Amino acid sequence: DGGITQSPKYLFRKEGQNVTLSCEQNLNHDAMYWYRQDPGQGLRLIYYSQIVNDFQKGDIAEGYSVSREKKESFPLTVTSAQKNPTAFYLCASTGTAQETQYFGPGTRLLVL
Amino acid sequence: SQQGEEDPQALSIQEGENATMNCSYKTSINNLQWYRQNSGRGLVHLILIRSNEREKHSGRLRVTLDTSKKSSSLLITASRAADTASYFCATTPFGGYNKLIFGAGTRLAVHP
Repeated sequence: DGGITQSPKYLFRKEGQNVTLSCEQNLNHDAMYWYRQDPGQGLRLIYYSQIVNDFQKGDIAEGYSVSREKKESFPLTVTSAQKNPTAFYLCASTGTAQETQYFGPGTRLLVL
Repeated sequence: SQQGEEDPQALSIQEGENATMNCSYKTSINNLQWYRQNSGRGLVHLILIRSNEREKHSGRLRVTLDTSKKSSSLLITASRAADTASYFCATTPFGGYNKLIFGAGTRLAVHP
């Protein structure tokens, strides 16, 4: 069953803590993306990766970091430098045509 | 930076009625896409229209694109309660190599 999985569904972060959100895809897609969605808002691009071992900053990269060591995986770390991390985080990927994006179910991050 | 703006922000209709949502954008584009998001879930791709196309249909969906006015509309005919969701337009800026820019969305409520 092909698709994109994100885990966990809910994540709680304490002050000063780094947390990592998982994104895995078995669609054999080259490009992967991380978005942040605030209540009642659209999606804003955090980071994207067109190929393994390469990634670029999006519009709101400050306070976040990523890695792309494997084609299937694109984890996002929310660092302590991100002062307002509470949001819904969505991962997406695209195939060779690189037009339509396929989204995971999302991770909701809350601050304790 | 948000390229698209949807109008209206919220729309409430009865089952069987048609729903029309509009999207305006600011720069030249390669294509424009519409996505749907059920509450607290990931986004699902609905339809893509290229910059050289003016109208496209998919089932009960009809999308138009007017590049001279930098605007698009999504029409859902004979709406159902299951159509209740948020609808987002997303543009790929010309030369913007598969970076999608999302609007803030239209929240559609279809009442039985």
